[in-house]
Amino acid sequence: NAGVTQTPKFRILKIGQSMTLQCAQDMNHNYMYWYRQDPGMGLKLIYYSVGAGITDKGEVPNGYNVSRSTTEDFPLRLELAAPSQTSVYFCASTSGVMETQYFGPGTRLLVL
Amino acid sequence: AQSVSQHNHHVILSEAASLELGCNYSYGGTVNLFWYVQYPGQHLQLLLKYFSGDPLVKGIKGFEAEFIKSKFSFNLRKPSVQWSDTAEYFCAVNNNDMRFGAGTRLTVKP
Repeated sequence: NAGVTQTPKFRILKIGQSMTLQCAQDMNHNYMYWYRQDPGMGLKLIYYSVGAGITDKGEVPNGYNVSRSTTEDFPLRLELAAPSQTSVYFCASTSGVMETQYFGPGTRLLVL
Repeated sequence: AQSVSQHNHHVILSEAASLELGCNYSYGGTVNLFWYVQYPGQHLQLLLKYFSGDPLVKGIKGFEAEFIKSKFSFNLRKPSVQWSDTAEYFCAVNNNDMRFGAGTRLTVKP
């Protein structure tokens, strides 16, 4: 099992550009999450999904979009990158809403 | 909404010192509790978790945590830290909505 994988590992964007952060899991987990991690702030939930075709907003969804067409994949889309979106993004998955979440290696994004 | 507080932002210890990291949460209902660790340049890994039963939970690498329901606390402990424990530690509380604390950076001096 690869677990949770994320691509790319690092990306620099210019203000106004768009990009998609990829996340995939091979554990057949229904629940998937996107977090952003900022220094001294812990992890903040951006979006989550409870199954294919179902997504919902977390704490900090503005400026992001997600889709969940398959159980395995949960891409995060930034449409108009802003400097405030400079962060490290982690994808996670779990078998149940109260269960342990398993994290991917993260994507470091710099918006200039 | 529930919140999670980690009182120490940065802790510096010498090897063999004892460690206790505080974690308090605000939600009063049934919760599952977690401690995750993030080693430099790596992703978050589960250190230990509490769902029910014995409130003293043992995790990997000699870590343990005690759930005290009356104090809404889930403090992490280790009797003797090693240089390799240098990392950031996150407490998380789940009540159908996982919330993370801001993290505590632990630096262990050799």
